[in-house]
Amino acid sequence: QVQLVESGGGVVQPGGSLRLSCAASGFTFSSYGMHWVRQAPGKGLEWVAFIRYDGSDKYYADSVKGRFTISRDNSKNTLYLQMNSLRAEDTAVYYCAKERSSTMDYWGQGTLVTVSS
Amino acid sequence: DIQMTQSPSTLSASVGDRVTITCRASQSISSWLAWYQQKPGKAPNLLIYKASSLESGVPSRFGGSGSGTEFTLSLSSLQPDDFATYYCQHYNSSSWTFGQGTKVEIK
Repeated sequence: QVQLVESGGGVVQPGGSLRLSCAASGFTFSSYGMHWVRQAPGKGLEWVAFIRYDGSDKYYADSVKGRFTISRDNSKNTLYLQMNSLRAEDTAVYYCAKERSSTMDYWGQGTLVTVSS
Repeated sequence: DIQMTQSPSTLSASVGDRVTITCRASQSISSWLAWYQQKPGKAPNLLIYKASSLESGVPSRFGGSGSGTEFTLSLSSLQPDDFATYYCQHYNSSSWTFGQGTKVEIK
């Protein structure tokens, strides 16, 4: 069965950096695009970034463009999100999700990122 | 950018009720719309894709309709497991957008 397991969350100071990972199993990872989606405490869902199956295209929400970088290692079945210049408003649960026809059909359990001094 | 507006923000209903949630797009999006259910502390779960196609394993009491700018998610007979928050989602030109969510509460 499809499994997505995020890791790497934690507490970081404003201006700091963090790298999230998402380990995928149960499907052919190298054949699917992948997303990061976040949810601030008590708020709705916000799409963050997308990467094509082969890493050839990457798209970002305006709120993170220039600060976050999505990448993948298909040999390790792992998705990454490098987050730099973190702000308080980046505090959220970050989910990775598998892409299917412009939707997100499988999601991980999420990892909490807290930006606070 | 296309904006997605859900209504209502909160809906109070009883077990057995039929409920409808609306999602409006700021411009036509054809049928590129999905619906998700999210329970507290859990990841979202895909219910409906391409406006009206039921995801595998989702109970048939869930239904989606609409095209262009107005879409609906319907639950034919609300069950205790259905009390949750529901989100619509659209894809357009390398950007994905969620509605703000509709919380379905017990009346």
